[in-house]
Amino acid sequence: EAGVTQFPSHSVIEKGQTVTLRCDPISGHDNLYWYRRVMGKEIKFLLHFVKESKQDESGMPNNRFLAERTGGTYSTLKVQPAELEDSGVYFCASSHPGPGDEKLFFGSGTQLSVL
Amino acid sequence: AQSVAQPEDQVNVAEGNPLTVKCTYSVSGNPYLFWYVQYPNRGLQFLLKYITGDNLVKGSYGFEAEFNKSQTSFHLKKPSALVSDSALYFCAVSSTSGTYKYIFGTGTRLKVLA
Repeated sequence: EAGVTQFPSHSVIEKGQTVTLRCDPISGHDNLYWYRRVMGKEIKFLLHFVKESKQDESGMPNNRFLAERTGGTYSTLKVQPAELEDSGVYFCASSHPGPGDEKLFFGSGTQLSVL
Repeated sequence: AQSVAQPEDQVNVAEGNPLTVKCTYSVSGNPYLFWYVQYPNRGLQFLLKYITGDNLVKGSYGFEAEFNKSQTSFHLKKPSALVSDSALYFCAVSSTSGTYKYIFGTGTRLKVLA
């Protein structure tokens, strides 16, 4: 089966610009997660979709971040306007429906650099 | 609140020697525990998980992990390390209570020396 796909793999933007990250989960995976890792730190939870609904967005840093999941398929994460502290690797993961014990399938991540 | 601690930033081990990568956790409810590995320029890959049952869990590539409820630990182990095991390892926890988000540790870089 095709894996989780993220685009772009790298993005370099200037402070104040807008960036949109995309994630295509594995087909049939209702659960979709966004995570971020800042250099040397933990992989931090951002939010969790179940199909097209936001199940938990407690990890979203602030209202400059907007995540959507159109029709329960692919998801986008928009950062507008970007700030220096938004730099890091953004991971998307998906999983089958279940009570929280399913393994996650990760994309390769988007390395975002805000200059 | 759920949390995971990986106390070692890096672990060095000689090829052929046993390895241990440490993880402790804190959750409310019963824990679901996971280990993932990340190779350069790749996404995280699932290694193994503990849900219930035997405290010793076996996973991919000869890795295993031991769940210790009293010490709230889930250390990753391998009897004989390979150079190809060199990578970044992440411990993660979910639980039977809460919203089932997975909480990850800071990662431990494993370096296996030939």
